[in-house]
Amino acid sequence: SYVLTQPPSVSVAPGQTARITCGGSDIGSRSVHWYQQKPGQAPVLVVYDDSDRPSGIPERISGSKSGNTATLTISRVEAGDEADYYCQVWHSSSDHHVFGTGTKVTVL
Amino acid sequence: QVHLQESGPGLVKPSETLSLTCTVSGGSITSYYWSWIRLPPGKGLEWIGYIRYSGSTNYNPSLKSRVTISVDTSKNQFSLRLNSVTAADTAVYYCARHSLTGGWYFDLWGRGTLVTVSS
Repeated sequence: SYVLTQPPSVSVAPGQTARITCGGSDIGSRSVHWYQQKPGQAPVLVVYDDSDRPSGIPERISGSKSGNTATLTISRVEAGDEADYYCQVWHSSSDHHVFGTGTKVTVL
Repeated sequence: QVHLQESGPGLVKPSETLSLTCTVSGGSITSYYWSWIRLPPGKGLEWIGYIRYSGSTNYNPSLKSRVTISVDTSKNQFSLRLNSVTAADTAVYYCARHSLTGGWYFDLWGRGTLVTVSS
């Protein structure tokens, strides 16, 4: 089965930059999407199609991809960015959706 | 504005069937694909399966033998049935809408409902 690997945790000081990676085979050929989930709340889409932002998502949240790794970057981190973050792709050959293992971002 | 709302029992006994319904309000269920996704305690998101408004489905292979997703367009609802549940099926269950364009992401989510499997 297709696996997307994320670091379990990332810690960052306020005002600094957090980078969350998502690795998977052939991820370079797939569209990668990112969700933010705070405790007790539903996930919120923050990046779609590798690097596009839905309306209402601040520009300091951005997505990129290089080789077999996609990256979600949160610049000028704020306390409100503390959450779990998941990457997601649609695995076209099996017609299944796959979520990454998830990364907990802690703001120090 | 379109909203999704999950409903169903919050407690299910082991070996019984979990049944949930997602009601779509403020918009039509047609023209879209819809998914069920769950979040077990202390774990990550898991996609369960999707249904198209026409009724075609696809399921996560790890759950396929126990899952059925159905749609009722007259009620603007779709439903999840998961049989032979165990404690491992305890989770917050979300319904979500697929995007119409792009790389197929989930652009709208329900608030989620906690289902506990316990005797």
